[in-house]
Amino acid sequence: GDSVTQMEGPVTLSEEAFLTINCTYTATGYPSLFWYVQYPGEGLQLLLKATKADDKGSNKGFEATYRKETTSFHLEKGSVQVSDSAVYFCALSDRPGSGNTGKLIFGQGTTLQVKP
Amino acid sequence: NAGVTQTPKFQVLKTGQSMTLQCAQDMNHNSMYWYRQDPGMGLRLIYYSASEGTTDKGEVPNGYNVSRLNKREFSLRLESAAPSQTSVYFCASTFDFTGNQPQHFGDGTRLSIL
Repeated sequence: GDSVTQMEGPVTLSEEAFLTINCTYTATGYPSLFWYVQYPGEGLQLLLKATKADDKGSNKGFEATYRKETTSFHLEKGSVQVSDSAVYFCALSDRPGSGNTGKLIFGQGTTLQVKP
Repeated sequence: NAGVTQTPKFQVLKTGQSMTLQCAQDMNHNSMYWYRQDPGMGLRLIYYSASEGTTDKGEVPNGYNVSRLNKREFSLRLESAAPSQTSVYFCASTFDFTGNQPQHFGDGTRLSIL
């Protein structure tokens, strides 16, 4: 079945450091890909998305590019802030049809801690 | 503010008790979902409702039932709670079932079963 694998955390960085969180996926067909962020005590919020190969999603300085050749969707940010400390989830959504149902499948989450 | 509202936010139950988690969205979304979040396991889908009047099992449906009361509301029921159901439960909704639209999440219900 479809699956998403994220790098294990926690990831600890100093403020203004470069961030990469790796995400790879296994899916039949052509899924949409998402990054969600969860701040302490809150629900998940959409950070960015990409719906087809070579698309780049971006938001709040974060970027991720849909790489079909490497089945990856790595999250990057050039300069992290303390306020970016949160749990980040990579997810895919199959398109309905051919046995798929359009549901979200999540990776296990990566905790990011940014120190001043 | 528009969004997904879950009640209650916290609950402690004894083994064998029953309860219903409530979820309502005011974004005129067609599809709604219930997930559970456990440490190191991401979110796992319990049940979903692609549209009003339909419900289907997700990855981990055992021990749960759902009701899509109307377009806005989607409830999750634990008939006989077990300690293994201690978790954080999230409700989510999305406009359609194409897989292209992001899901919007509530703030969660933190459920402990003793």
